Amino acid sequence: EPEVTQTPSHQVTQMGQEVILRCVPISNHLYFYWYRQILGQKVEFLVSFYNNEISEKSEIFDDQFSVERPDGSNFTLKIRSTKLEDSAMYFCASSSAGKAYEQYFGPGTRLTVT
Amino acid sequence: GEDVEQSLFLSVREGDSSVINCTYTDSSSTYLYWYKQEPGAGLQLLTYIFSNMDMKQDQRLTVLLNKKDKHLSLRIADTQTGDSAIYFCAEKMDSSYKLIFGSGTRLLVRP
Repeated sequence: EPEVTQTPSHQVTQMGQEVILRCVPISNHLYFYWYRQILGQKVEFLVSFYNNEISEKSEIFDDQFSVERPDGSNFTLKIRSTKLEDSAMYFCASSSAGKAYEQYFGPGTRLTVT
Repeated sequence: GEDVEQSLFLSVREGDSSVINCTYTDSSSTYLYWYKQEPGAGLQLLTYIFSNMDMKQDQRLTVLLNKKDKHLSLRIADTQTGDSAIYFCAEKMDSSYKLIFGSGTRLLVRP
């Protein structure tokens, strides 16, 4: 069964450094998403991406964040200058054009900012 | 505003039925979901229901929706130890891409 994959599974970075989290969505999916879950808090929506542009973003997704689909298979989340409060589990998700309401999640990348 | 609430913990004996409950605040929610998260794994889409339905059954899973009370439940029949996980309720409006999650209910199945 096709699934969303994410790399790395765990990333440790120093405050102020740039980090790129990578995702490979399910191959025929056209909608892509990033969510995050800070330890002890709810899963929060960050951004959705369709047709090479951001279709919706939350208040969390400020200028420090950017997303890109650099090729036909990868979807990335970049955090330009990480802060301690960016430490969280980041989940990528994708959905198909016909069923955009069915979002399938990857296993997550745990980001630790020290 | 939008909010989804769940109880934090449920413990059941193997073979019993489990009922996990969720309440939501936004009456314009169009889709309501149940996701399962096992330790170290991502969020697995278990099932979902459209807001124009009041029940959906899928093998051992039954979803009940009470729109008047804004209450969603997930019943797992014949609960197995492999069902031990965190179960997240989520809602989505037709006008938005984002899923709004509850805090998750940790289900522990005792042998």
